[in-house]
Amino acid sequence: GESVGLHLPTLSVQEGDNSIINCAYSNSASDYFIWYKQESGKGPQFIIDIRSNMDKRQGQRVTVLLNKTVKHLSLQIAATQPGDSAVYFCAEMVGSGYSTLTFGKGTMLLVSP
Amino acid sequence: EAGVTQSPTHLIKTRGQQATLRCSPISGHTSVYWYQQALGLGLQFLLWYDEGEERNRGNFPPRFSGRQFPNYSSELNVNALELEDSALYLCASKVRGNSPLHFGNGTRLTVT
Repeated sequence: GESVGLHLPTLSVQEGDNSIINCAYSNSASDYFIWYKQESGKGPQFIIDIRSNMDKRQGQRVTVLLNKTVKHLSLQIAATQPGDSAVYFCAEMVGSGYSTLTFGKGTMLLVSP
Repeated sequence: EAGVTQSPTHLIKTRGQQATLRCSPISGHTSVYWYQQALGLGLQFLLWYDEGEERNRGNFPPRFSGRQFPNYSSELNVNALELEDSALYLCASKVRGNSPLHFGNGTRLTVT
């Protein structure tokens, strides 16, 4: 079975709110994590990544937090916009990169104006 | 920089036929991955090619196969199509090491 899962299948927020999407992973050997955004009819788009030697990484309006103790990953989106509405996937990779990427089932983020 | 390109965008086949899907990676990327995304489901890993060789395959039957050409482009072949093969097939490429996969927009395969 999949080793990466998500707590909430759908998250509804108002425009301007901050959004938090959560992800649990079960493989303690995973050392590289990525968040992707997938809009309808398109392929997944890279948002942000983090390596296991980090706890936090920030991008433009997004922050990824990694808690290795409880094997939990989260994506925070600041000032959520309608254009952020999409399905968000977390993914994990084990090893030096010479490996495959395992995806979670995804969370749908719905942003209301 | 051109992204990952896949062709065709849509493909309709009947049960028992064969389908061939094509992928061109980002220039400089040597690894190509194939994923299947059935409607409403997550991405299931199919195949991984690097430097022309198959490095790993997911839990799919042998009728799913592919290859990578010297220019790093790739083909996915699905033989003896079944109705449940209907899905979005995504190709992604990356450079070596801990780096993200970059995806194309997929080929929507419909088997009737």
